[in-house]
Amino acid sequence: NAGVTQTPKFQVLKTGQSMTLQCAQDMNHEYMSWYRQDPGMGLRLIHYSVGAGITDQGEVPNGYNVSRSTTEDFPLRLLSAAPSQTSVYFCASNPAGGRVASPLHFGNGTRLTVT
Amino acid sequence: DAKTTQPNSMESNEEEPVHLPCNHSTISGTDYIHWYRQLPSQGPEYVIHGLTSNVNNRMASLAIAEDRKSSTLILHRATLRDAAVYYCILRRNNDMRFGAGTRLTVKP
Repeated sequence: NAGVTQTPKFQVLKTGQSMTLQCAQDMNHEYMSWYRQDPGMGLRLIHYSVGAGITDQGEVPNGYNVSRSTTEDFPLRLLSAAPSQTSVYFCASNPAGGRVASPLHFGNGTRLTVT
Repeated sequence: DAKTTQPNSMESNEEEPVHLPCNHSTISGTDYIHWYRQLPSQGPEYVIHGLTSNVNNRMASLAIAEDRKSSTLILHRATLRDAAVYYCILRRNNDMRFGAGTRLTVKP
């Protein structure tokens, strides 16, 4: 049982490049989400999904796309990277369906630098 | 989600209890109070949560005020490994948002 797995751990992009941050969970959790954390700041919600085929925007969705074709995977796409997207990205999951009492499980993060 | 207010930082001595406060004066009846912590260079880790009654688990205790407008996370004997940023979050739905948290420093 690996929990929430994020790849890659580190990535450097040039401005304008695109890439996909991968997130996979093996706990059959319905809910998955992406956060970004800038230096010295708390986490900010980018996008989330309450199940396959369903996604919604969080606090800071601009510049990011998501899709949820399977329960296990929730990739985050940067179509045209900008220096302002330099951050650490965390993926999280938990059972949804109104179970707001259940804890979030976080991955170990992807550290992205855009030059 | 309703807003929470936490002190930016706190200090504690090793092996002493730590009380981390959180104010949430706009809490609604269906909001759960969650606490997470983030150790350096790691993702956040669940600590404890509650709705109305005080809660205990192996990591900590959560004391919730009778009017639910504030809560306190209690670490009974702080260790150096408890040095982290602690986040208090109100959770009503799946749009879960973190504030800046409280940075806890534990002195040996």
